[in-house]
Amino acid sequence: GAGVSQSPSNKVTEKGKDVELRCDPISGHTALYWYRQRLGQGLEFLIYFQGNSAPDKSGLPSDRFSAERTGESVSTLTIQRTQQEDSAVYLCASSSLATRNTEAFFGQGTRLTVV
Amino acid sequence: KQEVTQIPAALSVPEGENLVLNCSFTDSAIYNLQWFRQDPGKGLTSLLLIQSSQREQTSGRLNASLDKSSGRSTLYIAASQPGDSATYLCAVRPGVDSSYKLIFGSGTRLLVRP
Repeated sequence: GAGVSQSPSNKVTEKGKDVELRCDPISGHTALYWYRQRLGQGLEFLIYFQGNSAPDKSGLPSDRFSAERTGESVSTLTIQRTQQEDSAVYLCASSSLATRNTEAFFGQGTRLTVV
Repeated sequence: KQEVTQIPAALSVPEGENLVLNCSFTDSAIYNLQWFRQDPGKGLTSLLLIQSSQREQTSGRLNASLDKSSGRSTLYIAASQPGDSATYLCAVRPGVDSSYKLIFGSGTRLLVRP
């Protein structure tokens, strides 16, 4: 596609439910990142994929959070037993190669509200 | 541990003014630095990418400079317009981090008054 696509754009869920967030990176981009942005705050790194492996999961805040990626395409971020503190915008980004000198492109994000 | 700081946190200027946004980072071992723009409720739009070997990059009314040794970057916006109002974020890609992730500053919220 033309850019990084995320769905849904907005999600309201009840505390304790599981949610899945989806990211479609730019075609051909091997590197994919998930970030979280709480209201009025900066971006927190969650996880990095190189292809379908995740060599860096250091930012996942708890074992309720997990992510997977199919080949070099779609990624899903799953949050189990959601809590109110999980409310945030979840942003996905992709880069063309796993080299450090390539530009990162972001999607529009999924705004998650846990009530 | 790499930390990125942006000053000021917020800035309000009249239309037409030239302005400078500042970004500093604690570890000079970076591969590149990227400036982004974020509109309220939206994702990030990439503005400029500066490789570690470069001193500056220009795109239209935007000019970004990089002084790696002092851990600083500036984003210069010429002849500001109300449409420039947004949050500007800088991010560095650490040179010693094999995950290639970007480390972000907390942003500068810019308001350009008509």
